[in-house]
Amino acid sequence: AQSVTQLDSQVPVFEEAPVELRCNYSSSVSVYLFWYVQYPNQGLQLLLKYLSGSTLVESINGFEAEFNKSQTSFHLRKPSVHISDTAEYFCAVSRTTSGTYKYIFGTGTRLKVLA
Amino acid sequence: NAGVTQTPKFQVLKTGQSMTLQCAQDMNHNSMYWYRQDPGMGLRLIYYSASEGTTDKGEVPNGYNVSRLNKREFSLRLESAAPSQTSVYFCASSEAIRRGSGNTIYFGEGSWLTVV
Repeated sequence: AQSVTQLDSQVPVFEEAPVELRCNYSSSVSVYLFWYVQYPNQGLQLLLKYLSGSTLVESINGFEAEFNKSQTSFHLRKPSVHISDTAEYFCAVSRTTSGTYKYIFGTGTRLKVLA
Repeated sequence: NAGVTQTPKFQVLKTGQSMTLQCAQDMNHNSMYWYRQDPGMGLRLIYYSASEGTTDKGEVPNGYNVSRLNKREFSLRLESAAPSQTSVYFCASSEAIRRGSGNTIYFGEGSWLTVV
């Protein structure tokens, strides 16, 4: 069965420090990969996604993620975090096959940026 | 630009009561979804509607029903609420579900439901 594993439930980090949020997926077929962000008391919103092409994708607010097919990973990184990056981050994969829809979210990683 | 709008935002129910969560999207999306979010469990799909006129079960459909009223609206009904249904519910939409789809899902702001 397809699954998404976010290895860390919480990640505290000091402001201006780098951060990596880990995501691994299991799938024997091609998938599309996403990172969503959820700010307090809000819905999820897309941060970035990998569909094809360059394995490194970037968001407008400085996050980037690299698709690594051999390691089945899609880790999210930012070289210098801000207080405003405090949120919960969800990794997700999607694929459709034989008419069956699959869009699976990980359990989320809470990023807490400390002053 | 409203995007995905869901109501109500907060609701307290007694065990056994029924209620309907309403959802509408103004992005002309074909596909709509209902998720629930619980601590430590991420998002779990309750039901989805790939296109107007169709609905399908997700991971956790028991205790829920849905109606795709038209292309814009997708409601979720709890017929007899139970404390296990205390959760945050999110409606969402995307352009389409199709083979090879990498569509972004757009979420509403959530409905906090407490069943006592």
